[in-house]
Amino acid sequence: EIVLTQSPGTLSLSPGERATLSCRASQFISSSYLAWYQQKVGQAPRLLIKATTSRARGTPDRFSGSGSGTDFTLSISRLEPEDFAVYYCQQYGSLPLTFGGGTKVEIK
Amino acid sequence: QLQLQESGPGLVKPSETLSLTCSVSGGSVSSPSYYWGWIRQPPGKGLEWIAIIYFSGSTFYNPSLESRVTLSVDTSKNHFSLKLTSVTAADTATYFCARQSRSITGTPEWFDPWGQGTLVTVSS
Repeated sequence: EIVLTQSPGTLSLSPGERATLSCRASQFISSSYLAWYQQKVGQAPRLLIKATTSRARGTPDRFSGSGSGTDFTLSISRLEPEDFAVYYCQQYGSLPLTFGGGTKVEIK
Repeated sequence: QLQLQESGPGLVKPSETLSLTCSVSGGSVSSPSYYWGWIRQPPGKGLEWIAIIYFSGSTFYNPSLESRVTLSVDTSKNHFSLKLTSVTAADTATYFCARQSRSITGTPEWFDPWGQGTLVTVSS
C-alpha cells in the first residue's frame, strides 16, 4: 500500500499569500497518477487537480500541481478567501487507492 | 450535470450491517468510462477508500475492509449499493459515493463528482 504523507498539517496564511502544500509517497507513483481535492467544512471533497498537473474543470488557474515519483506539490499562487479549506492528495497508481492525511489552510 | 445522492439509515447498531445506496442522476452507471465508488471519513479525520464497482459488476475492494464489504450495481435503477457487515463504532463516518474516471486500460483514476455524503453512526 502506498502511504501518502501531507505536510504541513496546518498552514496559516493571509489572503493574497502563496501556499505550497506537499504530498510525499512511500513508493514511486507510476505515471504521476496523483490527484488533489479541496474540502470545505460540511461539504464533500471537490476535485482540483488530476494527473499531477491537470486542472479539473472549474479549477481557477491560481491552483497548480507539480511533481513526480514520490514528491508532489499543490501550489496556490494568491490565496482567495474561498481557498481556506482542507486539501487532500490521492494516488491511483496502484491499489489500494489511498489518500493523504490532509493539509488545512487556515486564515492567519 | 451528473449528481449522486447517498441514502440509508443514519444509525446502525454494533454487529449489524450498514447498507447504503447511491442514486445517480444526469448520467448512467452503465457508462463504460467510469467506476462507481465509496469513500468514508470518520468525524474530524481523513478520507478512506472503501471500494469501487464497474457496471459489469467487477469490483475492487480495500483489503482492510474486503472481508466485510460488498458492492452491487443495479443498472435498471441507475444506482449502486454498499453493504458493510459486523459494524463497530470505528465504522462511524460520513460515507461518500463518487464517480471514478477509468482509463482506457481499466485503471481507476480520480473521483469526480462526489455525493454530499451521509453520516452513519454505529451505536446501540
